[in-house]
Amino acid sequence: RKEVEQDPGPFNVPEGATVAFNCTYSNSASQSFFWYRQDCRKEPKLLMSVYSSGNEDGRFTAQLNRASQYISLLIRDSKLSDSATYLCVVNGNYGGSQGNLIFGKGTKLSVKP
Amino acid sequence: GAVVSQHPSRVICKSGTSVKIECRSLDFQATTMFWYRQFPKQSLMLMATSNEGSKATYEQGVEKDKFLINHASLTLSTLTVTSAHPEDSSFYICSASRRGPATYNEQFFGPGTRLTVL
Repeated sequence: RKEVEQDPGPFNVPEGATVAFNCTYSNSASQSFFWYRQDCRKEPKLLMSVYSSGNEDGRFTAQLNRASQYISLLIRDSKLSDSATYLCVVNGNYGGSQGNLIFGKGTKLSVKP
Repeated sequence: GAVVSQHPSRVICKSGTSVKIECRSLDFQATTMFWYRQFPKQSLMLMATSNEGSKATYEQGVEKDKFLINHASLTLSTLTVTSAHPEDSSFYICSASRRGPATYNEQFFGPGTRLTVL
């Protein structure tokens, strides 16, 4: 099983749609979880951290289920500018190393007018 | 704040040459710097973790003699791809972390270096 698995996509949605991305991780010792956004040929940028209680930032809502080792990202009222690849990222905080990030392959989102 | 730069942004070289990539934290002191590699349509893969003044820790499968990492100061780390071959062509991204919550030191990514080896 891969360490971080995501829906491969691509997700092609119209403007204004709601879209949900899912992610599972294999290591139950993981402690920190994130969603990053990566535009084509650019570096990843932190979109939001994910907390057990769930958190929301504007149109973006992230959820974490530790029991199922599952993370989600919901985007409401999608905009053209949301088109990007969304990376599920887990802190590889095992083996005594802090700060290593384990990236999923990403889910590509394309928002159409 | 928390800006990380990389240089060069793009490099094309002949097979067998060495290429040096610089990663700088511009407005903070980085406790640790990380080097990642991303092949097309693949996830970012951590290559090595670098702490200032000490040897880098390489991930399994990454040749330390081929990918030389020097971390001479709290604001600069370099990655040298020695005797580059076409299969080394990739997007190399560094990140720098500064102290944060106990379980995770937030990372800030550089803009990446696209290496093409002919």
